[in-house]
Amino acid sequence: AQRVTQPEKLLSVFKGAPVELKCNYSYSGSPELFWYVQYSRQRLQLLLRHISRESIKGFTADLNKGETSFHLKKPFAQEEDSAMYYCALSGNSGGSNYKLTFGKGTLLTVNP
Amino acid sequence: DTAVSQTPKYLVTQMGNDKSIKCEQNLGHDTMYWYKQDSKKFLKIMFSYNNKELIINETVPNRFSPKSPDKAHLNLHINSLELGDSAVYFCASNQRTIGETQYFGPGTRLLVL
Repeated sequence: AQRVTQPEKLLSVFKGAPVELKCNYSYSGSPELFWYVQYSRQRLQLLLRHISRESIKGFTADLNKGETSFHLKKPFAQEEDSAMYYCALSGNSGGSNYKLTFGKGTLLTVNP
Repeated sequence: DTAVSQTPKYLVTQMGNDKSIKCEQNLGHDTMYWYKQDSKKFLKIMFSYNNKELIINETVPNRFSPKSPDKAHLNLHINSLELGDSAVYFCASNQRTIGETQYFGPGTRLLVL
């Protein structure tokens, strides 16, 4: 079974402060991990994926297999970062059928 | 060009009615999905189709019947709508390999009265 846990439902920071959104996962195989973002009343869109090891909009995330974590970080939050953030895991649901399992999401609010 | 599109954007209907939501993708992907986002913003997969074949069915009531006429389309028909079906339904698509990004539609906001 695959599971994604985002322990914080809400996270509020001030503009310019560092932000870390936590994500832990449970999966018996080798997972592929993603962060998706949903701005207010918009569609989900990919923010970043661990396989590409890139930084998008100043966000980074490192896969820590020992701690089974994939926390999302940004050193200086901006007001436009306010959104719902979902951590997701792509794993094998049986045979060769890969499915994406989402965490419950963290609503980030960046205050001026 | 819109990559993944859904119609309608909003749907308000009475309990007991039957309704359909349509999804189309022009990305050439072979796999499409339906997700339900509930009032608490929790996102859960419902179905997945690969080349018109159902490959994932996540214990969804059989009032929900997906149909894929071709690999670019995945429609969702819901019979006998219930209050608890009120949610935002998102369609998504990708190539069916592990690690491939899913592209999401704009969502259909369903309200059952």
